[in-house]
Amino acid sequence: QSVLTQPPSVSGAPGQRVTISCTGTSSNIGTGYDVHWYQHLPGTAPKLLIYSNTNRPSGVPDRFSGSKSGTSASLAITGLQAEDEADYYCQSYDSSLSGVVFGGGTRLTVL
Amino acid sequence: QVTLKESGPALVKITQTLTLTCTFSGFSLSTSGMRVSWIRQSPGKALEWLARIDWDDDKFYSTSLKTRLTISKDTSKNQVVLTMTNMDPVDTATYYCARMGVVYQHDYWGQGTLVTVSS
Repeated sequence: QSVLTQPPSVSGAPGQRVTISCTGTSSNIGTGYDVHWYQHLPGTAPKLLIYSNTNRPSGVPDRFSGSKSGTSASLAITGLQAEDEADYYCQSYDSSLSGVVFGGGTRLTVL
Repeated sequence: QVTLKESGPALVKITQTLTLTCTFSGFSLSTSGMRVSWIRQSPGKALEWLARIDWDDDKFYSTSLKTRLTISKDTSKNQVVLTMTNMDPVDTATYYCARMGVVYQHDYWGQGTLVTVSS
């Protein structure tokens, strides 16, 4: 059971928009700790997609965007492409655990 | 260019101690603000953070695995070492090391190393 809750799966057709939620508690996201998002393709290293809730590292397309409100955060992907099919994870910090916490991951399927 | 690479045994026996080494380049762990984490992913499961070491040698561990983990660094070799004692089949996973940035984001990752625990 992960500390941060994500939907196990989402799907969308090419060109569509999908969102992935990440729900935390008052000891992590709700306290104000930043949320980061990663894209993970099988057999490869996870890739930082969004950091500090809304920021994209250099090279990440602007089709990917993040937001945060209260105890939750969201990752939005617009203009869905086949290459976006992957697992997506959110990450924050938890003060009661004194450590980094990840979400359970969401598998995105491009129909 | 920042790179990280994990190395260690692919197979360990039950109750043995696992030692993994992360060798990195492109940054120095003696630079203020630099941190390196170990993270694992068991088959079919989510990413799980294990431990972190900071430039000032501060160390942090997963609450659930704290008694089994030790993290250390050799700044001169650009290496971070993780040991995990009393290995069990549930510890079978791909183990990653990653650089952690100033806002606790993992901005660079190694390719990971698969460790299988078997009798």
